[in-house]
Amino acid sequence: DGGITQSPKYLFRKEGQNVTLSCEQNLNHDAMYWYRQDPGQGLRLIYYSQIVNDFQKGDIAEGYSVSREKKESFPLTVTSAQKNPTAFYLCASAGGDGYTFGSGTRLTVV
Amino acid sequence: KNQVEQSPQSLIILEGKNCTLQCNYTVSPFSNLRWYKQDTGRGPVSLTIMTFSENTKSNGRYTATLDADTKQSSLHITASQLSDSASYICVVRDSGGYQKVTFGTGTKLQVIP
Repeated sequence: DGGITQSPKYLFRKEGQNVTLSCEQNLNHDAMYWYRQDPGQGLRLIYYSQIVNDFQKGDIAEGYSVSREKKESFPLTVTSAQKNPTAFYLCASAGGDGYTFGSGTRLTVV
Repeated sequence: KNQVEQSPQSLIILEGKNCTLQCNYTVSPFSNLRWYKQDTGRGPVSLTIMTFSENTKSNGRYTATLDADTKQSSLHITASQLSDSASYICVVRDSGGYQKVTFGTGTKLQVIP
């Protein structure tokens, strides 16, 4: 079945560490997105990529980095520069009929 | 600034009852509006999509309406079930592409027996 897969489902990070969240899709979508979701707030765009080897900053890109070496993959790295990384992270890809979301990764700083 | 406001913020209803969720937006130029259902700890799943020319669209017990003149949409849930307990998110896209979408903060619905 076509879909978008995020891993891991839960991730714990020590302060000062970088961590990478995985996002893979087999929908043949060109565009992929990373969103952050905090309680009581709407989804906020971190980074997006409309084509392989190209990506753009969203509204809250500071402290995050991405790569898009393959059409299917759009990993997100949460760096130590992100001061409040504890959140629910959603990856999405977009085709003609709209977004397909992954199941999310919950990142907690310990 | 594009905004999407949803109401109520949270709602508790008895199983079997109907309910209506509201979405008001200021996004312009408007392209389409989607309602998503998000179970706790999961990614959102699309329920309906509506374009400018559509007034109503149904998906099983879910019926969405759109008034493009007043920039309002509603999601009506009929004969609620316990599995309807989730957050419902209104997402409005302008004509600038999928990066140009604005998310509402959602309505958290709890259906109780």
